[in-house]
Amino acid sequence: DGGITQSPKYLFRKEGQNVTLSCEQNLNHDAMYWYRQDPGQGLRLIYYSQIVNDFQKGDIAEGYSVSREKKESFPLTVTSAQKNPTAFYLCASSINPQGLTEAFFGQGTRLTVV
Amino acid sequence: QKEVEQDPGPLSVPEGAIVSLNCTYSNSAFQYFMWYRQYSRKGPELLMYTYSSGNKEDGRFTAQVDKSSKYISLFIRDSQPSDSATYLCAMNRDTGRRALTFGSGTRLQVQP
Repeated sequence: DGGITQSPKYLFRKEGQNVTLSCEQNLNHDAMYWYRQDPGQGLRLIYYSQIVNDFQKGDIAEGYSVSREKKESFPLTVTSAQKNPTAFYLCASSINPQGLTEAFFGQGTRLTVV
Repeated sequence: QKEVEQDPGPLSVPEGAIVSLNCTYSNSAFQYFMWYRQYSRKGPELLMYTYSSGNKEDGRFTAQVDKSSKYISLFIRDSQPSDSATYLCAMNRDTGRRALTFGSGTRLQVQP
């Protein structure tokens, strides 16, 4: 089945630790995105990538880092510099590198700082 | 001021009602408009996608875009309890940053 797979579903992090969230897609999509969702709020863009080996900051990139070494993979690292990382993280992809088509989402990773 | 405004609700309706969900936006560069449905603790699911102004119908769902008013709507006919979810509008530009900008979502409850 084609789709977007995010792992893990739940993740717990101690203060001061870096953690990496996985996002893999087998849809052959060019563009990939990371969004953060907080309770009662919409999705806010963290980073996006239109092609392999290239990515751009979104609205809330501070404290996060990404890489795009393969077309199908776009991992997100939440660093210790992110002061309030507890949130629901969503990865998405779009077949058009300009994002001018539908974007499809994974099922999300819920990150909690303990 | 946010680029995309959406009433958070909750909106409660009886089963079988027609539901109207709306978003307004401020950036005239938005040309691509989408509606997503999100169940609790799940990823958003694409419902409707429209380009520029006009209407689009898919089963019980109708999406409308009025670019002159910077206003988009999603109508749900014959609403069902299974439609209870959060509905997110999203839009994209044809110039500049190419990533979706989302509204905050409207929580809908359809009472049986």
